[in-house]
Amino acid sequence: GQSLEQPSEVTAVEGAIVQINCTYQTSGFYGLSWYQQHDGGAPTFLSYNGLDGLEETGRFSSFLSRSDSYGYLLLQELQMKDSASYFCAVGDSNYQLIWGAGTKLIIKP
Amino acid sequence: EPEVTQTPSHQVTQMGQEVILRCVPISNHLYFYWYRQILGQKVEFLVSFYNNEISEKSEIFDDQFSVERPDGSNFTLKIRSTKLEDSAMYFCASSPRGGAGANVLTFGAGSRLTVL
Repeated sequence: GQSLEQPSEVTAVEGAIVQINCTYQTSGFYGLSWYQQHDGGAPTFLSYNGLDGLEETGRFSSFLSRSDSYGYLLLQELQMKDSASYFCAVGDSNYQLIWGAGTKLIIKP
Repeated sequence: EPEVTQTPSHQVTQMGQEVILRCVPISNHLYFYWYRQILGQKVEFLVSFYNNEISEKSEIFDDQFSVERPDGSNFTLKIRSTKLEDSAMYFCASSPRGGAGANVLTFGAGSRLTVL
């Protein structure tokens, strides 16, 4: 079957750095994406990795290792507004996005 | 900034009734999708649509569901004979490209469906 594993919850302090890991097992692979979702809101695209390595977009970075079927999202200089759920998602052989269960990020002042 | 628009934001219906959820994708996007999210759970792919036909659909998207692009702007999801387990948030999304481009989606705000 197809599965993505990510921690259910992560807690961090405002201003700190946090890493959310994602491991995947899917039929085919067309990239790893990260989405942010605030409570009651729509998923918002954050980052995409099609090839191995690090992608940086402002305070957010995402990493992919296809040989390890592993990626992570790194959030720096955490702000209270970053409190949200973060989903990793993989494009499978049918170009469908397969989603992880999401990681709830709790930020404390 | 261009956005995907969905209506209604919330619909309550009786079990067995038909519902139609509407979406206006971003105007220059060519690929359209419906996803659903049961409360507190992960997002699930339902269907993708390109060039006026379904390109992919999941096991969830059975004969109860259908999609249509009735005109140049709207994209609809119809659920016939709703069941209690259809209660969820339904998200429409669009992307300018297919293939790996399906990883990069713009989502609408969602339509919450409550089946009683």
